[in-house]
Amino acid sequence: QVQLQESGPGLVKPSQTLSLTCTVSRGSISSGSFYWNWIRQPAGKGLEWIGHIYTSGSTNYNPSLKSRVTFSLDTSRDQFSLKLTSVTAADTAVYFCARGGRYEWSAPDCWGQGTLVTVSS
Amino acid sequence: NFMLTQPHSVSESPGKTVTISCTRSSGSIAFNFVQWYQQRPGSSPTIVIYEDNQRPSGVPDRFSGSIDSSSNSASLTISGLKTEDEADYYCQSYDTSMVFGGGTKLTVV
Repeated sequence: QVQLQESGPGLVKPSQTLSLTCTVSRGSISSGSFYWNWIRQPAGKGLEWIGHIYTSGSTNYNPSLKSRVTFSLDTSRDQFSLKLTSVTAADTAVYFCARGGRYEWSAPDCWGQGTLVTVSS
Repeated sequence: NFMLTQPHSVSESPGKTVTISCTRSSGSIAFNFVQWYQQRPGSSPTIVIYEDNQRPSGVPDRFSGSIDSSSNSASLTISGLKTEDEADYYCQSYDTSMVFGGGTKLTVV
């Protein structure tokens, strides 16, 4: 079963850029065609979809975050990444990466454990 | 875009049956598949129902999903409740974006 692991700084200053990487193991990011998602969850609150990137590199972002988000793929390292610019305290959350299916809106069925990112000076 | 509205919390006794609703604010609930996720404290969500009523392997048949076009809602039903079912449950659907409901805290006491 494929495994996903998020990594990146746990603390980011306001107005700076949040950068996270998701490493895929026990499987290859380029074997098969999947959608790779980023989802976040503020403490004590619900889940918010940030967007996904397809194996081909095409992306779809949540309209509420689209102006600040960029995803990328590194198939040689079996990684995909998230950059979120101009962060504020409202971006403080646990960030999950998750593998979707072969169709654009297939349910994310394999999730990383999540990584807490705090935006604070 | 649309919203998915869930009750904030539900509570039921072990062995009983509970149903959690998820109402779509606009557009037909039947247009796009609904998924349900279980999230225990400190853990990642895991899928318990996909494509309205399909159970992944390993999910007990005590879990079932349905949709009701008349109320424009989806439901997750858990029968024979166990204490281990106590968790947050999220519905999820999509149109041009993926949308999650606000989550329902299930207490089994």
